[in-house]
Amino acid sequence: AQTVTQSQPEMSVQEAETVTLSCTYDTSESDYYLFWYKQPPSRQMILVIRQEAYKQQNATENRFSVNFQKAAKSFSLKISDSQLGDAAMYFCASRAGGYQKVTFGTGTKLQVIP
Amino acid sequence: DGGITQSPKYLFRKEGQNVTLSCEQNLNHDAMYWYRQDPGQGLRLIYYSQIVNDFQKGDIAEGYSVSREKKESFPLTVTSAQKNPTAFYLCASSIWQGSNQPQHFGDGTRLSIL
Repeated sequence: AQTVTQSQPEMSVQEAETVTLSCTYDTSESDYYLFWYKQPPSRQMILVIRQEAYKQQNATENRFSVNFQKAAKSFSLKISDSQLGDAAMYFCASRAGGYQKVTFGTGTKLQVIP
Repeated sequence: DGGITQSPKYLFRKEGQNVTLSCEQNLNHDAMYWYRQDPGQGLRLIYYSQIVNDFQKGDIAEGYSVSREKKESFPLTVTSAQKNPTAFYLCASSIWQGSNQPQHFGDGTRLSIL
């Protein structure tokens, strides 16, 4: 079984600053994948970034990057140069290789202060 | 443009009534999913389907039923046995092969009790 834990229900960041959202996970699988999704007030879930567990290099997508610590089972999301449009709920998720089931965390609500 | 369409956007259910939420995708994805989202609980998997005419229970399947007669369609029925159906329901799809493939989500249906 997989579990995903997001221990920060809410976070805030000043516009143009950097913020890090935490996520820890637990899995017995050796092959798995990790994702961060964004859910703005419109409620549509949007993929932000993904990481294959077998890759040592941290994934990066423009202003978004992850800090993947496999031994610690940690998968944090860093948002640089925060923008007002980044305000949303952010969900961390994991998926075991070969399985279709995805496990989500409870989410972190990010507020961006102008 | 390809995507996932959920309808209706808002739905009201009377006591003892079954209601059906529609989910259609034109992404040619094999796998489809239904999630329930409650405040503070993230997304919980209700049912998922890997292929036509086949589906599996998720973590909270009681009180729900699904069908998968066509690849593009995965309707969810909330039965009268579901005693607390008020929630936001999200449908998703993904490519069957490749666990690193993200899920694509619809815009959701908000179900409320009259």
